[in-house]
Amino acid sequence: GIQVEQSPPDLILQEGANSTLRCNFSDSVNNLQWFHQNPWGQLINLFYIPSGTKQNGRLSATTVATERYSLLYISSSQTTDSGVYFCAVLSNFGNEKLTFGTGTRLTIIP
Amino acid sequence: DSGVTQTPKHLITATGQRVTLRCSPRSGDLSVYWYQQSLDQGLQFLIQYYNGEERAKGNILERFSAQQFPDLHSELNLSSLELGDSALYFCASSKTSGGVSGELFFGEGSRLTVL
Repeated sequence: GIQVEQSPPDLILQEGANSTLRCNFSDSVNNLQWFHQNPWGQLINLFYIPSGTKQNGRLSATTVATERYSLLYISSSQTTDSGVYFCAVLSNFGNEKLTFGTGTRLTIIP
Repeated sequence: DSGVTQTPKHLITATGQRVTLRCSPRSGDLSVYWYQQSLDQGLQFLIQYYNGEERAKGNILERFSAQQFPDLHSELNLSSLELGDSALYFCASSKTSGGVSGELFFGEGSRLTVL
């Protein structure tokens, strides 16, 4: 099945810093989503972005499908941004399931 | 609020018991997915239903079963529970299935603790 790798696995930043999270995947995809899992365990949809670039406030994402990677940018980090960020993909090749990466744990220090 | 409703939010039970987790998808969504997240682990796909029919199966244990009812809500049944079944169980829904499933939306999860 498709492999999804996220980097870095852990990131500790001061409030106000910017960060870039990366997601690499092994096959072509027709669905890519970024999620934020907050400390209470809730999975929050950030972006549905199988290709192209999107922005939502301080967050933006870019997926370069031909090169099999996606980037999530967080600017002016706030403590509420802490949590785990997951990338999840759906392969083009008939597999029905959304496969999750192992996540990036982001900790924002006041 | 994603629009996906899961009950119960928390459940504590003993080994050997059976529990049922319930999921109501977003209005208009025909696909339901179940995922398991054990402590400090990623999300593992269990099973998917589309309009009442099973469409995909992951590493779901034989002790676990699921179904999707005509009103599109889904239930995940976990039986002969073991300590290792303690986890957060998520339900997600989407409008369609497979390659054009579109965006998946997740419920808040059901946190199961087996003692």
